[in-house]
Parts: sequence; structure tokens; C-alpha cells
Amino acid sequence: EDKVVQSPLSLVVHEGDTVTLNCSYEVTNFRSLLWYKQEKKAPTFLFMLTSSGIEKKSGRLSSILDKKELFSILNITATQTGDSAVYLCAAPSNNNDMRFGAGTRLTVKP
Amino acid sequence: DGGITQSPKYLFRKEGQNVTLSCEQNLNHDAMYWYRQDPGQGLRLIYYSQIVNDFQKGDIAEGYSVSREKKESFPLTVTSAQKNPTAFYLCASRAGVGIYGYTFGSGTRLTVV
Repeated sequence: EDKVVQSPLSLVVHEGDTVTLNCSYEVTNFRSLLWYKQEKKAPTFLFMLTSSGIEKKSGRLSSILDKKELFSILNITATQTGDSAVYLCAAPSNNNDMRFGAGTRLTVKP
Repeated sequence: DGGITQSPKYLFRKEGQNVTLSCEQNLNHDAMYWYRQDPGQGLRLIYYSQIVNDFQKGDIAEGYSVSREKKESFPLTVTSAQKNPTAFYLCASRAGVGIYGYTFGSGTRLTVV
């Protein structure tokens, strides 16, 4: 059965810290891995990764995929209180739905 | 602007009642999905539809029903058979199969009172 596992489930840091969120996956016919940020309601898209070893970057956020080891990480540098959210990792499964991890709840304290 | 509209945002239901959550999209997307999210958990798939008049059960379909009579609309009915319906429900759509990500609605929070 396809699955996506995220760790840690929750994380509390202070502003300015750097955090790394982990996502491992077991998906038949892997095609892509996606990261979303969910603050209060709908998840918003951050990154889509399809190629191993190529970093995607957007401001203080970056992500990389390792297809050999079947995992991805999401890095956030110089965290701000506005980064507080649940970060979801997901991968399209064989049925063309999306398998989501349980999410990492990040809390950034001032 | 194109997007997905879910309504209502908040819904209260008495035990034993059926309730229908609305999801409408004007993105011309073929595929639509319903997910349930409980505190501390990720999104779990309830039902999905890849074309009009066709839909498939997801991982937790028991106690739910859907219809897909129009491409734009994918309503979810939470029936009285669903034992623990209090949750946050998210609707999503996708342009095609493969690598593409979802567009999400803003969600409906259902509370059984």
C-alpha cells in the first residue's frame, strides 16, 4: 500500500532558527512529491519535486528529493512567526489520488 | 477568478441527520476529490472522481456518498451511518493525472451536536 510518512509530527522553534522537515515515501510508480503549507484552511502549494538531487528554492524555503533513499526534506531558514503552520508532504499514488503524510505542525515563537 | 468553492464553511448537524457539503470548481478540471482531516492527522481520501458520472471509493468511504452529475460539481453527503463525522472536510481538483498537484477549496468544518 502506498504511504507517505512525515517527521517530526510537531516542532517548536524560535524566530531565526533553521528547521528541517522530513518526508519518506513508498509509492508505486513514483512520479512526483509535493509539499504544501496549511495555515488554517486550504493547503497551499509550495513545491513539486520530480528529479532527484535538484533543489527547489523559494525565498527562505527549499526542498530536495532523494529518489534512491525515497525521501524528501523541506528546509526553512531564518524562521518567522508567519511560518507557523502544518506542512504536508504528498505523492500521487497508483490510483491517481494523492497520498498525504500526517503533517508536521511547526510553531515558531517570537 | 478560477477556483474551488466549498460551502458552507461551518456546519452543525444533529446526530442521525444526513448533511450535504457542496464543492464547485470553475477550473475545468476533470478530477475532483474529497478528503477528511482530523486533528493531528493528514488528509485521508473519502471519494474521488476522474470523470463525470464516475467516482471511486477512497480509504474511508463508509458512511459517505457522492455524485458527479456535472464536471463542475462534486457534492459529498455525510450520512447517519458515519459514526464520527466531526472533522474538517477538504475538496480538491486536479487538471489531469500524473504529476500534477491539487487545487484545494477552503474547507468545511462539520460538527455533530
